[in-house]
Amino acid sequence: EVKMVESGGGLVQPGGSLRLSCAASGFTFSNYAMSWVRQAPGKGLEWVSSISTSGSSTDYADSVKHHFTISRDNSKNTLYLEMNSLRAEDTAIYYCAKAKGGVTILGNRYFDSWGQGTLVTVSS
Amino acid sequence: DIQMTQSPSSLSASVGDRVTITCRASQVIRNYLAWYQQKPGKVPKFLMYAANTLQSGVPSRFSGSGSGTDFTLTISSLQPEDVATYYCQKYDTAPFTFGPGTKVEIK
Repeated sequence: EVKMVESGGGLVQPGGSLRLSCAASGFTFSNYAMSWVRQAPGKGLEWVSSISTSGSSTDYADSVKHHFTISRDNSKNTLYLEMNSLRAEDTAIYYCAKAKGGVTILGNRYFDSWGQGTLVTVSS
Repeated sequence: DIQMTQSPSSLSASVGDRVTITCRASQVIRNYLAWYQQKPGKVPKFLMYAANTLQSGVPSRFSGSGSGTDFTLTISSLQPEDVATYYCQKYDTAPFTFGPGTKVEIK
């Protein structure tokens, strides 16, 4: 069974930092691109960032570029999101999402499994 | 960046009704569109990709169509368990933007 468990969320002051982790199991982690998607309270889904299987290629939403960094450790089956200079508008549930994958790169860009999410609250 | 819109933002229909949700991209995205379902208080669930290719295990009452800029998600016979918010997502190039969602309720 595919499973992703996020951790590292919590309450942080504006300007602070957090590091989210996503522990994956039930599939060959190193074979799949991974992503972070967030959802502000009562709002819709917002794609945040994606990373290739090796970690050599990353993409970011403009809203987080230059203050979030996505990474992965394939030896630990773990995805990370380093968040710096946090702002109130970063308050959201952060979901780890597995790419469906497939024979083309397109399969890296949509998500067939999601974790339960971890809540990040940015407030003084 | 390409913007995604959905209409309606919410709808109420009776059990057994045919329901159609529209997703529109501000530029051509070929058929590079996915759909997700999020039930209240739950994690999003992947429904389909390539505009019309159903994910394994998704009921056949769900179908998708469209290409270019205009896409639809259709539920052929609405069931109580279909109460949810539905999101489209483009994946031609980054950013892999989601639409704002369509909330489906039972009348």
